[in-house]
Amino acid sequence: AQKITQTQPGMFVQEKEAVTLDCTYDTSDQSYGLFWYKQPSSGEMIFLIYQGSYDEQNATEGRYSLNFQKARKSANLVISASQLGDSAMYFCAMRGVRSANSKLTFGKGITLSVRP
Amino acid sequence: GAGVSQSPSNKVTEKGKDVELRCDPISGHTALYWYRQSLGQGLEFLIYFQGNSAPDKSGLPSDRFSAERTGGSVSTLTIQRTQQEDSAVYLCASSSSRDGKNIQYFGAGTRLSVL
Repeated sequence: AQKITQTQPGMFVQEKEAVTLDCTYDTSDQSYGLFWYKQPSSGEMIFLIYQGSYDEQNATEGRYSLNFQKARKSANLVISASQLGDSAMYFCAMRGVRSANSKLTFGKGITLSVRP
Repeated sequence: GAGVSQSPSNKVTEKGKDVELRCDPISGHTALYWYRQSLGQGLEFLIYFQGNSAPDKSGLPSDRFSAERTGGSVSTLTIQRTQQEDSAVYLCASSSSRDGKNIQYFGAGTRLSVL
């Protein structure tokens, strides 16, 4: 079984500053993938970044980077130079790479508000 | 279009009626998923289609829910005899294994309200 934990309450960040959104996970799979999605008020789930469990380097995608600490089972999302458009709900998710069903298991999500 | 398309975007129905939700995946994506997002339950997996294999229906909450995927492309999620607890946003996603990551790309969802 897989579990994602996102426990931060609503997060606030000043525009142009960096913010870290926390995610811890639990799985019995040896090989797995970790994902972050953004869900603005419009409702669409937007893929942000992916980290494979055997990737040696932390993933980066533009202003998004993933602080992956495998031993601690954490995969925190770092957003640099926050913009007003970053205000949204953020979900951490995972799936087993070798599982027959590659469904995603999601956390409860974190609300991020960017202040001007 | 280039992304996952879902229709309708909103659906209001009366308790006891049947509804059909449609998903058109990204062209060439062999995997298709349905999820449900509700306030109390977060995001829940419903069903998964992979190519011509039998679908994994392990997430369907009751036998009132069914889904099919025709021609390996468009999928329809059907809810029979809708109940108020079926009110939620139904999200469809598709993915391809070509990049080795199986990143799931989501549609905008169908918001279902059962009165």
